[in-house]
Amino acid sequence: DAGVIQSPRHEVTEMGQEVTLRCKPISGHNSLFWYRQTMMRGLELLIYFNNNVPIDDSGMPEDRFSAKMPNASFSTLKIQPSEPRDSAVYFCASSSNLRGDNQPQHFGDGTRLSIL
Amino acid sequence: SQKIEQNSEALNIQEGKTATLTCNYTNYSPAYLQWYRQDPGRGPVFLLLIRENEKEKRKERLKVTFDTTLKQSLFHITASQPADSATYLCALLISSGSARQLTFGSGTQLTVLP
Repeated sequence: DAGVIQSPRHEVTEMGQEVTLRCKPISGHNSLFWYRQTMMRGLELLIYFNNNVPIDDSGMPEDRFSAKMPNASFSTLKIQPSEPRDSAVYFCASSSNLRGDNQPQHFGDGTRLSIL
Repeated sequence: SQKIEQNSEALNIQEGKTATLTCNYTNYSPAYLQWYRQDPGRGPVFLLLIRENEKEKRKERLKVTFDTTLKQSLFHITASQPADSATYLCALLISSGSARQLTFGSGTQLTVLP
């Protein structure tokens, strides 16, 4: 079974550039989550989708961040313009909440983003 | 303010001993608590879930307890092995607006010494 697939695994870009992170959730999962992990703040939820609809984006740090889920098998997290403080590891996770919202989340291996 | 604390950022133990990791929380009333393992360069991997009305849950060498009075969960690894070395994260399912979402602790890095 393929797990959650994220691309790219690493991204290094200059401040001010647009960055797009991609995620393919596990087939059949109807919830998708974007997290950011840093040493200082740990793992923080940015936004999550249920059945392709954004449910809670209160964790999105500012308007420079946007996320979309055009269909059940693909999501993007975009940062425009990027800043050095956006440097972190970004994780995508998916789960199925058909049997309740306590289901385990399955994480991808993340995108390590460095903004110079 | 709401807070999740995991004991000491790093824990070193000898192979064969029992590792005990602590997750304390304040100002939450979680319905569920989950534990995850994270290896360097990888995403977290789900290990166990325990409900608020359960005192204890076991899976092979793993045991989790959940004390809603103390607002604490303990995570035990018995007969620890070097392969158990990783960062362990607790996560609480907490109501946020009309939905519930997982909120993670900062993790405890466990090293099992051969």
